[in-house]
Amino acid sequence: RKEVEQDPGPFNVPEGATVAFNCTYSNSASQSFFWYRQDCRKEPKLLMSVYSSGNEDGRFTAQLNRASQYISLLIRDSKLSDSATYLCVVNPTSGTYKYIFGTGTRLKVLA
Amino acid sequence: DVKVTQSSRYLVKRTGEKVFLECVQDMDHENMFWYRQDPGLGLRLIYFSYDVKMKEKGDIPEGYSVSREKKERFSLILESASTNQTSMYLCASSFLAPGELFFGEGSRLTVL
Repeated sequence: RKEVEQDPGPFNVPEGATVAFNCTYSNSASQSFFWYRQDCRKEPKLLMSVYSSGNEDGRFTAQLNRASQYISLLIRDSKLSDSATYLCVVNPTSGTYKYIFGTGTRLKVLA
Repeated sequence: DVKVTQSSRYLVKRTGEKVFLECVQDMDHENMFWYRQDPGLGLRLIYFSYDVKMKEKGDIPEGYSVSREKKERFSLILESASTNQTSMYLCASSFLAPGELFFGEGSRLTVL
């Protein structure tokens, strides 16, 4: 089993739709969780960190479910500009440099 | 804004050549990383440095070495390039570990 798993997609959704991605992780002791966004042929950039209590940033909501060992990203009112690959990143050990990247979920928002 | 600059966006090298990939960051970050990104495999850590002259192997260090002589600069070296090192190479830096990673634009290396 991979340490971090994501559905590769693509998720094709119309503008204005709500879409959700999940990411599962295998190490129950994992401490920190992030969502990064990567546009085609560009570098990844931090979208948001994922806190235990869940967090929201505008149209984006991230949640953590430790019991089932997954994190989720919800995008409301999708825009064409949201088209990208979304990378789930897990830090399995607090205070270390080790980041485990998922292979990403590709989102296409259609006009 | 944090700026991580990679010296070459695209390189084409021949098998057996020595390859240098340079990375410079301008935010005085302690931590610097080299990853490679391949389809279906995601980003994999090659080497990590948490201070000048300090380095640690990541998950796939074989065939690579690194150099960090100055805080702002982290170089990745392929001593003898092979075709299986054809990939996208991404440099990143961070202030904290764990913390937000700031990536360079990437260096796409093709080894013929």
